[in-house]
Amino acid sequence: TQLLEQSPQFLSIQEGENLTVYCNSSSVFSSLQWYRQEPGEGPVLLVTVVTGGEVKKLKRLTFQFGDARKDSSLHITAAQTGDTGLYLCAGRFSGSARQLTFGSGTQLTVLP
Amino acid sequence: NAGVTQTPKFRVLKTGQSMTLLCAQDMNHEYMYWYRQDPGMGLRLIHYSVGEGTTAKGEVPDGYNVSRLKKQNFLLGLESAAPSQTSVYFCASSYDSLNYGYTFGSGTRLTVV
Repeated sequence: TQLLEQSPQFLSIQEGENLTVYCNSSSVFSSLQWYRQEPGEGPVLLVTVVTGGEVKKLKRLTFQFGDARKDSSLHITAAQTGDTGLYLCAGRFSGSARQLTFGSGTQLTVLP
Repeated sequence: NAGVTQTPKFRVLKTGQSMTLLCAQDMNHEYMYWYRQDPGMGLRLIHYSVGEGTTAKGEVPDGYNVSRLKKQNFLLGLESAAPSQTSVYFCASSYDSLNYGYTFGSGTRLTVV
């Protein structure tokens, strides 16, 4: 079983602070996605990255895919209370492209 | 568009009882998935389908069965519920198996007592 490790597991910060969460694997991803999940709801797709070294921005969120395609990071600038949620990375590994493997997530709480 | 609809939203079962969870999507997606989500363990794939009439096992298939008789519906069955199956179940669908994202339903919270 190929594993995705996310860190930190929990993160609590004040509104206006910056933060970075990480997603790592020992295997190469063919593609990687980030989702955000709010309580009582299913995950919602934020971004898909495919190319090593790729950087994508979504308003205050910046997603980076590692050059070797084994890791990814999500950086949030000037966090807002509305950013609170569970952030999940999910990767497709080379050789098992049909299956999306999820990490256990980073629970982010942004305090007012 | 409704997207992915799961029913029921909540259910309590006694050990040994059976039930079926229904997932319906209106996006004409070929691929459908059933996941379970447990604290600290993320989402784990139970079964999936790559098209009408097809099903395949995921990471944790034991104790579950699925059927995809119509393209828009994917059913998850528990024949004899066990307390270890207490979880939140999510259905998802996608356009293809490559780089498109999944659209998830809002989940079914199942408690087996």
